[in-house]
Amino acid sequence: SAVISQKPSRDICQRGTSLTIQCQVDSQVTMMFWYRQQPGQSLTLIATANQGSEATYESGFVIDKFPISRPNLTFSTLTVSNMSPEDSSIYLCSVTGEWDTEAFFGQGTRLTVV
Amino acid sequence: SQQGEEDPQALSIQEGENATMNCSYKTSINNLQWYRQNSGRGLVHLILIRSNEREKHSGRLRVTLDTSKKSSSLLITASRAADTASYFCATDPLYNQGGKLIFGQGTELSVKP
Repeated sequence: SAVISQKPSRDICQRGTSLTIQCQVDSQVTMMFWYRQQPGQSLTLIATANQGSEATYESGFVIDKFPISRPNLTFSTLTVSNMSPEDSSIYLCSVTGEWDTEAFFGQGTRLTVV
Repeated sequence: SQQGEEDPQALSIQEGENATMNCSYKTSINNLQWYRQNSGRGLVHLILIRSNEREKHSGRLRVTLDTSKKSSSLLITASRAADTASYFCATDPLYNQGGKLIFGQGTELSVKP
């Protein structure tokens, strides 16, 4: 199993500003992911955070809007840039270990953009 | 959309009753997982069933998988008020590069004392 510390847990931000969310894992993990959960919706994968290289983004998400860093096997950041009210969501960090095993999630960051 | 379908979207039952949630998906899979989410917080993993398994139990949870119909069900027996939460199925697609889950729309379960 893995314990994930994600912060901040919530924030209220002004439109046009940026917020960086941190994800710290208590053990070295292979795969790290960032998901978005819009109000009342399910989870949508934003990107895979790759250690030491550029993240791999899913369709509809771009690096300029959601820059991601992963400097080592236990830490990653997601920045939500130039925010608008449409970015109000819960953002979740997730990790997996070996292939064909369960994923573990951080507690999420509830972002409100006003 | 690649996301799966879940039904019902919302389910309200009395304590002690059983709750059944269904999930359908579109692609071949390595495994299917069920997660629970309380009040928009992080997801908690409940159970994982692999594509070569048909049924799995964990405590009060029973999961079935029918790969021919691309569907799964989650049964919670003898429900408790503390089971009130949103439940999501998630599939790990075949030939996936590990860990990229596709989530269903979720079922919001309310268990009344």
